[in-house]
Amino acid sequence: QKEVEQDPGPLSVPEGAIVSLNCTYSNSAFQYFMWYRQYSRKGPELLMYTYSSGNKEDGRFTAQVDKSSKYISLFIRDSQPSDSATYLCAIHSGGYQKVTFGIGTKLQVIP
Amino acid sequence: NAGVTQTPKFQVLKTGQSMTLQCAQDMNHNSMYWYRQDPGMGLRLIYYSASEGTTDKGEVPNGYNVSRLNKREFSLRLESAAPSQTSVYFCASRDYNEQFFGPGTRLTVL
Repeated sequence: QKEVEQDPGPLSVPEGAIVSLNCTYSNSAFQYFMWYRQYSRKGPELLMYTYSSGNKEDGRFTAQVDKSSKYISLFIRDSQPSDSATYLCAIHSGGYQKVTFGIGTKLQVIP
Repeated sequence: NAGVTQTPKFQVLKTGQSMTLQCAQDMNHNSMYWYRQDPGMGLRLIYYSASEGTTDKGEVPNGYNVSRLNKREFSLRLESAAPSQTSVYFCASRDYNEQFFGPGTRLTVL
C-alpha cells in the first residue's frame, strides 16, 4: 500500500464551481499536511499547510484534515481558470522527516 | 531573493554520457533535496542533504551521485546516463515546514 494515495484526475470543472481534492494516507504518525500547486512546466509551490486535524482557510482555499479517517482535502471555492494546475498533497511526521508526496491531481477550470 | 535556482533548464544527452545538474539556494536552509518527477509516478526523492557535509539516499538513488558543495549548493551527477533517467528533475530546500522548489531541469536521454 502506498503511503499517500491521490486520484490523478484529470478533473474538469466550470468556472465558479467548488472543487474538492482529496488524499488518503496510511501512516498514523503523519502530523503535518500540505498542499502544493504546480503549474505546467513549473516547480511546485506551497499553497496550504496544516498541523494535525481540523480546518484551515486562506481566501478561496480551505484545507481539511481528518486524522481519524486518514483523509485530507483541499476545497477551492469560486474556482477560476487561473486555478488550472496540478495539486499535490504532501505529508510528514515532523522535524526534518522525509516529505511524502501524492501523485498529484490535474485540475482544469473551464471559462 | 532568487530562492532556489537550477541549471540547466533543458538538456539532451546520449546514453552513456555524464552530466551534473546544479542547484543553489539563497534562503540559508540547512536541508536540500533532489527529486525526479515522471508521469504517473509523482515526485520521487533521489538524494537529500540534511545539513552541509551530509548526504543520504532517497527512494531512487541508483545511477546518481550528489555533492553538497557548501550550504548553498547541492549538485546531482549522472555518471552514465540511461534512457530511464529521462525525467524532470527538481531541487528543493527546506525550512522546518515548507519545501521550496526550483524551476526544474528537463532531461532527455536518447
